Amino acid sequence: DAMVIQNPRYQVTQFGKPVTLSCSQTLNHNVMYWYQQKSSQAPKLLFHYYDKDFNNEADTPDNFQSRRPNTSFCFLDIRSPGLGDAAMYLCATSRVALGENIQYFGAGTRLSVL
Amino acid sequence: DAKTTQPTSMDCAEGRAANLPCNHSTISGNEYVYWYRQIHSQGPQYIIHGLKNNETNEMASLIITEDRKSSTLILPHATLRDTAVYYCIVRGRTGTASKLTFGTGTRLQVTL
Repeated sequence: DAMVIQNPRYQVTQFGKPVTLSCSQTLNHNVMYWYQQKSSQAPKLLFHYYDKDFNNEADTPDNFQSRRPNTSFCFLDIRSPGLGDAAMYLCATSRVALGENIQYFGAGTRLSVL
Repeated sequence: DAKTTQPTSMDCAEGRAANLPCNHSTISGNEYVYWYRQIHSQGPQYIIHGLKNNETNEMASLIITEDRKSSTLILPHATLRDTAVYYCIVRGRTGTASKLTFGTGTRLQVTL
C-alpha cells in the first residue's frame, strides 16, 4: 500500500501558468518535504514543514510556495513556471524522533513546461 | 553534515554480492551514515543506516570502518531489480527535521 501518494504522476503546464502538485500521506508523520530533481541530477530540497512550521531553503526561488492544510496533505505551488522548472518533484515524510530520521518518498510528479 | 564521496558507477553480475563503497572522512562523532537508492523514475527508497556498528536488515548490510571514515553497503545477492542509483548520506542524530543532502551517488548496473 502506497504510504506517500503524489498526484498527478505527470503534469504538463504552460509557461507562466500556475500549477499545484499534491502530496498525501497515511503515515501520520509530522514532517513533510518537497524536493526538486532535474534530469540526471540528485534531489534537492526546496522546503519542509515540521508540523505547521514552514522551513524554506535559502536558495529556493520565490516562485515556489507550499501549503500544508493538515497533517496528511501538502501542496507545492509554482506561481509562474518557467522552462527551467521542468523536473521531477518528490514529496517525502518523516517521523522526527531522536535517532531516527528516515524519510519516505512518494513516486514523484514529473512536471513538463511548454 | 559531512560530505561523502562515491564511485560514479559500478557493475555487478546477477546473484553476486554488490559492494558499494562510500568515503566520509570528515564525519563527526554524532553523525549517522544513511543509504538510499533510487530506481529509475521512482522516488528514493531508504535502505539502511548506522552509527558505528555494522548493521543488517532484509535489504542489505552496512559495514562501517572502525575509524568511521568510510563504509560499504553490501547487497548480498544482487538482482536485476537492484539496478539503481545508490546514495550514501551522512547526517546528524537530531530530534528536529533535517534535510537529506544527496551527492551524485553510485549508479549500480546489475547484469545477467
